[in-house]
Amino acid sequence: EPEVTQTPSHQVTQMGQEVILRCVPISNHLYFYWYRQILGQKVEFLVSFYNNEISEKSEIFDDQFSVERPDGSNFTLKIRSTKLEDSAMYFCASSGTGFSDDTQYFGPGTRLTVL
Amino acid sequence: RKEVEQDPGPFNVPEGATVAFNCTYSNSASQSFFWYRQDCRKEPKLLMSVYSSGNEDGRFTAQLNRASQYISLLIRDSKLSDSATYLCVVEYGNKLVFGAGTILRVKS
Repeated sequence: EPEVTQTPSHQVTQMGQEVILRCVPISNHLYFYWYRQILGQKVEFLVSFYNNEISEKSEIFDDQFSVERPDGSNFTLKIRSTKLEDSAMYFCASSGTGFSDDTQYFGPGTRLTVL
Repeated sequence: RKEVEQDPGPFNVPEGATVAFNCTYSNSASQSFFWYRQDCRKEPKLLMSVYSSGNEDGRFTAQLNRASQYISLLIRDSKLSDSATYLCVVEYGNKLVFGAGTILRVKS
């Protein structure tokens, strides 16, 4: 069964450093997403991406965040200058067409720890 | 008012019990509705979509009431392996909005 993969599984960084989280969505999917989950809290939407541009973003997704699809398979989330409060689990998801009733499949997540 | 509201639980039930979870959502423009399951420190996994007509998948039954903006999940004959957090999820556009989850613990 096709699945979304993410690397690394755990990233530890110092405050102020840049991090790049990587995702390989399901190969024939067209829509890509990032969500985050702070420990003990709910899953929160960050951004959706389609046709090489952001289609929607949340208030959390400020200028410190950016996304990119550098080639035909990878989808990345960059945090330019990490803060302590960026510590969370980051989930990548992908879906086929992005219309209603189109299931989003989640990757296993990257646990980001900012020290 | 929270966009998606759930009873956090935990629900502690014996094996074989029937348990029901409820969820309300605030945005009447919501388009699609789901129950996801999340195991500790793992990704959310789709359990089932929810339709107004109600739908059943084995021991799981989901129901949607658009007029009341209310979603439910019924689990019959609970198994130990059902222990997890159950997430009520609503879709706006192509973004998913998650509830905080309801914890289920099934004990032998």
